[in-house]
Amino acid sequence: EAGVVQSPRYKIIEKKQPVAFWCNPISGHNTLYWYRQNLGQGPELLIRYENEEAVDDSQLPKDRFSAERLKGVDSTLKIQPAELGDSAVYLCASSLAGSGTGELFFGEGSRLTVL
Amino acid sequence: AQSVAQPEDQVNVAEGNPLTVKCTYSVSGNPYLFWYVQYPNRGLQFLLKYITGDNLVKGSYGFEAEFNKSQTSFHLKKPSALVSDSALYFCAVRALGQNFVFGPGTRLSVLP
Repeated sequence: EAGVVQSPRYKIIEKKQPVAFWCNPISGHNTLYWYRQNLGQGPELLIRYENEEAVDDSQLPKDRFSAERLKGVDSTLKIQPAELGDSAVYLCASSLAGSGTGELFFGEGSRLTVL
Repeated sequence: AQSVAQPEDQVNVAEGNPLTVKCTYSVSGNPYLFWYVQYPNRGLQFLLKYITGDNLVKGSYGFEAEFNKSQTSFHLKKPSALVSDSALYFCAVRALGQNFVFGPGTRLSVLP
């Protein structure tokens, strides 16, 4: 069974440019997360989806970040315009919905460098 | 509010020796506790979790962790370290209905 798939793996852009990351979760996983991981730190939640509904986007910087999960499967995270401080690894994770005891399954991440 | 502390940024251990990576947590209600490992340029991989029951849980690659409610700890252990265990380890906590909260990570170096 395929794991969580993310693309691109690496992206280098200049500040003020837009960038988008794509995630395909594990088949059957209703819950999808986007995390940001700064160098040497733990992941920090940006947004959580249950099916196609964003149930927690309180940590998403909405002035420049947006996300969508069409049809409750794939998801896209967009940054426009990017700033130097956005350089990080953007991780997508998925899990089965339910009581919350299930673990997260992470993709390989998308490493963003903003110059 | 939930929080996780990993008091050691770095743990060094000789190959073949036992290893311990420490984690303490703070959460309202019953905690669900997790350990993940991250290799360079890779995503996080699940190692093990405590939900309920036996305080000693066993996971992947020979790792185990002990839940201690009175000390609010969930330390990761392995009886005999391998060089290939060298990686970044993250402890995470979740309360029912809440999001996962990850610790800052501990870098484990196993020396040959």
